[in-house]
Amino acid sequence: AAGVIQSPRHLIKEKRETATLKCYPIPRHDTVYWYQQGPGQDPQFLISFYEKMQSDKGSIPDRFSAQQFSDYHSELNMSSLELGDSALYFCASSLGLGQGVDTEAFFGQGTRLTVV
Amino acid sequence: ILNVEQSPQSLHVQEGDSTNFTCSFPSSNFYALHWYRWETAKSPEALFVMTLNGDEKKKGRISATLNTKEGYSYLYIKGSQPEDSATYLCAPGRQLTFGSGTQLTVLP
Repeated sequence: AAGVIQSPRHLIKEKRETATLKCYPIPRHDTVYWYQQGPGQDPQFLISFYEKMQSDKGSIPDRFSAQQFSDYHSELNMSSLELGDSALYFCASSLGLGQGVDTEAFFGQGTRLTVV
Repeated sequence: ILNVEQSPQSLHVQEGDSTNFTCSFPSSNFYALHWYRWETAKSPEALFVMTLNGDEKKKGRISATLNTKEGYSYLYIKGSQPEDSATYLCAPGRQLTFGSGTQLTVLP
């Protein structure tokens, strides 16, 4: 069965550079979540989208932006990268968040970003 | 951002023991409560999504209960096995804001 695909799996960037992480949800899933997990830390919710619109916003820095496209894939854009942005970034997808139906979310394998 | 607390933070049990841990969350404006299992080097795996007060769900040896009025959920593992070793995360609400998890180690 198709799962959530994240690309790239690993990314190394220098300080002040820009990075774009991509997430391809499970087919027919209309909701995407982004999480950041720093070394030794809990996963932190960043932002979520339902039907291409932002639905909830968490602890996402102003230097980051995200969007969900017409094919439901999502991209997390990170600018002016800092050393502290080094983390594992997870994306998850689910179905029907906006309809008040809460179904389980399926996670991708994550993108490990290292800022040097 | 929801204040989610999980306890204990870590737990070591012997193979065959039964165990349980707690997820506490704000009871106001309850939406849903998710439980996830997260093994090292893997992505989180959904265990349960619970929405109704008094809900009780079961998957094999793992079960969960929900009390939305007092804001807590219990996860039970019966007859723990070494392969149950993982971090168990709960996430209430629309945002799936995770608690810090309970790290379970099952010793053979």
